[in-house]
Amino acid sequence: GNSVTQMEGPVTLSEEAFLTINCTYTATGYPSLFWYVQYPGEGLQLLLKATKADDKGSNKGFEATYRKETTSFHLEKGSVQVSDSAVYFCALRSSSGSARQLTFGSGTQLTVLP
Amino acid sequence: GAVVSQHPSRVICKSGTSVKIECRSLDFQATTMFWYRQFPKQSLMLMATSNEGSKATYEQGVEKDKFLINHASLTLSTLTVTSAHPEDSSFYICSARESTEAFFGQGTRLTVV
Repeated sequence: GNSVTQMEGPVTLSEEAFLTINCTYTATGYPSLFWYVQYPGEGLQLLLKATKADDKGSNKGFEATYRKETTSFHLEKGSVQVSDSAVYFCALRSSSGSARQLTFGSGTQLTVLP
Repeated sequence: GAVVSQHPSRVICKSGTSVKIECRSLDFQATTMFWYRQFPKQSLMLMATSNEGSKATYEQGVEKDKFLINHASLTLSTLTVTSAHPEDSSFYICSARESTEAFFGQGTRLTVV
């Protein structure tokens, strides 16, 4: 079945530091890949996505590249801000199946210190 | 983007009582909604797929008589945890899809004492 393995947290960085949160997946076919962010007290929000190999998703300074050869979709940001403190979830959606629901990683808590 | 509202955000209940959690799509219609459960430091696990006007589809291992799902309209799905026990304490999140994107509620922290 499908699965997502995500870097365990919590991750604590200073403002303007470089961020990488690793994510690898197992899936049949050609899944779509997503990063979601959950700010305190709020629901999950789509941060970025990629639907095919070598696609790069980007949003708010965050980037992730769909690497089929390494089955990875690592999240990166060159310079984090305090406002980036949140929980980040990597997820995939299978290309087959009737419900096509999302499969999530365990989430990574990021805290950015001023 | 579209908004999914989940209520309540936190609830504490006594063992043996039932708790209802609501999930509403505020500005779009959702024929399908999803209910997830998250244990501490673990993934969101899909519990069931809620279908408007028909029975929900439960994932393997999820007790349908324990977790009652009603999707009576295109904008509302409810999850009722019946005869709650401390092991039901968890974080529950709903999701609704508009077009190709999934939108999530803010989640409900359930504590059973």
